[in-house]
Amino acid sequence: EVQLVESGGDLVQPGRSLRLSCTASGFNLDDYLMSWFRQAPGGGLEWVGFIRSKGNGGTPDYAPSVKDRFSISLDDSKSIAYLQMNTLKTEDTAVYFCARVISDWMSVADYWGQGTLVTVSS
Amino acid sequence: EIVLTQSPGTLSLSPGERATLSCRATQSISSTYLAWFQQKPGQAPRLLIYATSTRATGIPARFSGSGSGTDFTLTITRLEPEDFAMYYCQQYGYSPWTFGQGTKVEIK
Repeated sequence: EVQLVESGGDLVQPGRSLRLSCTASGFNLDDYLMSWFRQAPGGGLEWVGFIRSKGNGGTPDYAPSVKDRFSISLDDSKSIAYLQMNTLKTEDTAVYFCARVISDWMSVADYWGQGTLVTVSS
Repeated sequence: EIVLTQSPGTLSLSPGERATLSCRATQSISSTYLAWFQQKPGQAPRLLIYATSTRATGIPARFSGSGSGTDFTLTITRLEPEDFAMYYCQQYGYSPWTFGQGTKVEIK
């Protein structure tokens, strides 16, 4: 059974950093892309970024709103995808979801975790 | 950036009725790259349809997708009680991936 479990959400001050983890089970991380999405309180869904598996170059792509501040990485040995968030802003407050993406040519997110809440506030 | 606009914002229907949700893009999207998600309060989004018309694993046949170019539609033929939720369309073919603002299907 495919499972994704996010962790690391917290209350953090503006300008600080936070790292989220997404622990995957039931599939091989190297066979898929991994993506992060977010949803502000009461708001809609927003794509944050994705990373290709190391076997497919390990290259990422990010939404303009987080580019140069956020980065995604993989630890295949632990089946964990990370979202490193730097220089956090109040507008980054959201529930963050990780998701498995089928492939580079069919890049739809087919399984999602339950999310972890990040609150950016002084 | 491709902007997706969903309509209506809210759809008030009774169980057993047909729901038709619209998603319009600001530029043409290949049919390979359009998906629909369902989300209930406090839950993660659930993939319903991808590649415009392919149902995801385990999705009932009452859910169907259609469309091309800039206009796409999600149809729920006969609403079940568990179908009352928020629905989002998403394009994943062009960076940045974008979502519509959502259509809420509520019980009339």
